[in-house]
Amino acid sequence: DGGITQSPKYLFRKEGQNVTLSCEQNLNHDAMYWYRQDPGQGLRLIYYSQIVNDFQKGDIAEGYSVSREKKESFPLTVTSAQKNPTAFYLCASSPGTVMNTEAFFGQGTRLTVV
Amino acid sequence: GENVEQHPSTLSVQEGDSAVIKCTYSDSASNYFPWYKQELGKRPQLIIDIRSNVGEKKDQRIAVTLNKTAKHFSLHITETQPEDSAVYFCAASYSGGYQKVTFGIGTKLQVIP
Repeated sequence: DGGITQSPKYLFRKEGQNVTLSCEQNLNHDAMYWYRQDPGQGLRLIYYSQIVNDFQKGDIAEGYSVSREKKESFPLTVTSAQKNPTAFYLCASSPGTVMNTEAFFGQGTRLTVV
Repeated sequence: GENVEQHPSTLSVQEGDSAVIKCTYSDSASNYFPWYKQELGKRPQLIIDIRSNVGEKKDQRIAVTLNKTAKHFSLHITETQPEDSAVYFCAASYSGGYQKVTFGIGTKLQVIP
């Protein structure tokens, strides 16, 4: 699969540690998004970025941080301040943030705190 | 903000039967309603979407209907096949991109051969 790539697929973290999830896209999309997926709660928006060097908090940003230094890359750091980090994380991209069109998702990273 | 309710949470059908998943939304300003399919271990992928200026849209065995007055929309899958087994998410938003999209909780569809 090309398009949008997340790594790693599985990640284990000890309590108190920060961990960074990678998201790379080669679709030339301006907008990128991070979602958290928990059973029974659908997809919840963590952060999004409309252009390089700009990003905004989503609905559940506490305990997370992001950067957008390159158009292709939008890494997510799960910090020790996130109280319940065990979840499935999905990155997505879309051509822009003005019009609603298809969003392309990565295959996800399953993070487990041990 | 927008609230999207989706039901049922699980659905089992016999191969060849139809499946219907229903969603309701709260914000009357919402005008874009995508549906995503997520197969086990794979990424969500858009299967169909509808905008508020139409009431129904079809793509082969898949159709979506929208009732703006009642603020609900539904996904219909006819002649179900085992490969239709997946989790389906509905979503709603008004114009402004995916930062404004609210997803439902998902429906796990199992098609029994």
